[in-house]
Amino acid sequence: KAGVTQTPRYLIKTRGQQVTLSCSPISGHRSVSWYQQTPGQGLQFLFEYFSETQRNKGNFPGRFSGRQFSNSRSEMNVSTLELGDSALYLCASSLSVRGGGNTEAFFGQGTRLTVV
Amino acid sequence: AQSVTQLDSQVPVFEEAPVELRCNYSSSVSVYLFWYVQYPNQGLQLLLKYLSGSTLVKGINGFEAEFNKSQTSFHLRKPSVHISDTAEYFCAVSDLFGNEKLTFGTGTRLTIIP
Repeated sequence: KAGVTQTPRYLIKTRGQQVTLSCSPISGHRSVSWYQQTPGQGLQFLFEYFSETQRNKGNFPGRFSGRQFSNSRSEMNVSTLELGDSALYLCASSLSVRGGGNTEAFFGQGTRLTVV
Repeated sequence: AQSVTQLDSQVPVFEEAPVELRCNYSSSVSVYLFWYVQYPNQGLQLLLKYLSGSTLVKGINGFEAEFNKSQTSFHLRKPSVHISDTAEYFCAVSDLFGNEKLTFGTGTRLTIIP
């Protein structure tokens, strides 16, 4: 069974540009969440998508957005990149049983974004 | 809202010695509890989880953790560590009411000394 796949693994972008990251969840998983990991702030929740709808959102500016497709694959976009956006972006997928919390999230290897 | 505190940012331990990584949480609702491990330049791998039932849970690689509701703690232990256990360890919680969000602690870097 394939795990969570994130592409690309590494990205270098210039300030002011935009970037799109991709995440393919485990087959059958309908929930995809995104996290930003930095040395200063640790792991912070960005947003979660379920059945193509954003269900939950963290405390990030509107430059950070995402979407989910009918096959559960998800993309996140960051516009007008800033130096502080340099981070490891992690995607997690889960079954998301209705009415229950997150009983197990499976993480991808992440995309390392460097903004110069 | 939930919060997770990992008081020890770094823990050095001699090889084959026991280790305990501490985790305390705060929440107004019942939560699920997790420990994840992250190796350099990798994503997060689930070590173990507490959902309900026995408060002592066993995970992969010989790790175990004990849920203590009165102390709101979920400490991770291993009786004998190996060089390969060198990594960063994260404690996390999620609430029980349909919310997929994980709230993480700041992590503990475990360094094994040969």
